[in-house]
Amino acid sequence: DGGITQSPKYLFRKEGQNVTLSCEQNLNHDAMYWYRQDPGQGLRLIYYSQIVNDFQKGDIAEGYSVSREKKESFPLTVTSAQKNPTAFYLCASRAGSYNEQFFGPGTRLTVL
Amino acid sequence: GQSLEQPSEVTAVEGAIVQINCTYQTSGFYGLSWYQQHDGGAPTFLSYNGLDGLEETGRFSSFLSRSDSYGYLLLQELQMKDSASYFCAVRPRDNYGQNFVFGPGTRLSVLP
Repeated sequence: DGGITQSPKYLFRKEGQNVTLSCEQNLNHDAMYWYRQDPGQGLRLIYYSQIVNDFQKGDIAEGYSVSREKKESFPLTVTSAQKNPTAFYLCASRAGSYNEQFFGPGTRLTVL
Repeated sequence: GQSLEQPSEVTAVEGAIVQINCTYQTSGFYGLSWYQQHDGGAPTFLSYNGLDGLEETGRFSSFLSRSDSYGYLLLQELQMKDSASYFCAVRPRDNYGQNFVFGPGTRLSVLP
């Protein structure tokens, strides 16, 4: 089955620690995205990538970093510089010029 | 910049029809999309309007009027499983359509 996987589903970290969220897709999509969602809020774009080895900052990139070394993978690192990292993180991908984004199941990060 | 507005909550009864509005301020975009998200889940794509007018997909229809900076999602024959949050989203032209901007979401509650 084709799709997007994110792991883990729940993640707990201590304040001041960096943490990396995994996102893998086997849809052969070029574009991948990371969003942050806070309770009762919409999706805010953190980073996106259109091709391998290239990525762009979204609206709330501060305190986050990404890499795109493979087409299938787009990991997100939440650094200690992110002041309020507790949130639901969603990864998505999109094929070519199509408008539909496919989302992974999300990772709920809680920083204690 | 891009800004989308949606009502925060809508309530309707099973079997009824409900309309969720999305108004926007944008310098230009490729089209208006709608996504559904159940609590704790991932957003799923519902519909896309690239041109003005009505698009119908089963019980769901979506409408766009660029001259009025307005769109809506129409849900007919409401079912309990339609209780979810609904987000509108645009692909801004000022970034060649590479990214998406989401509205704040509308929480739909369907009552028996």
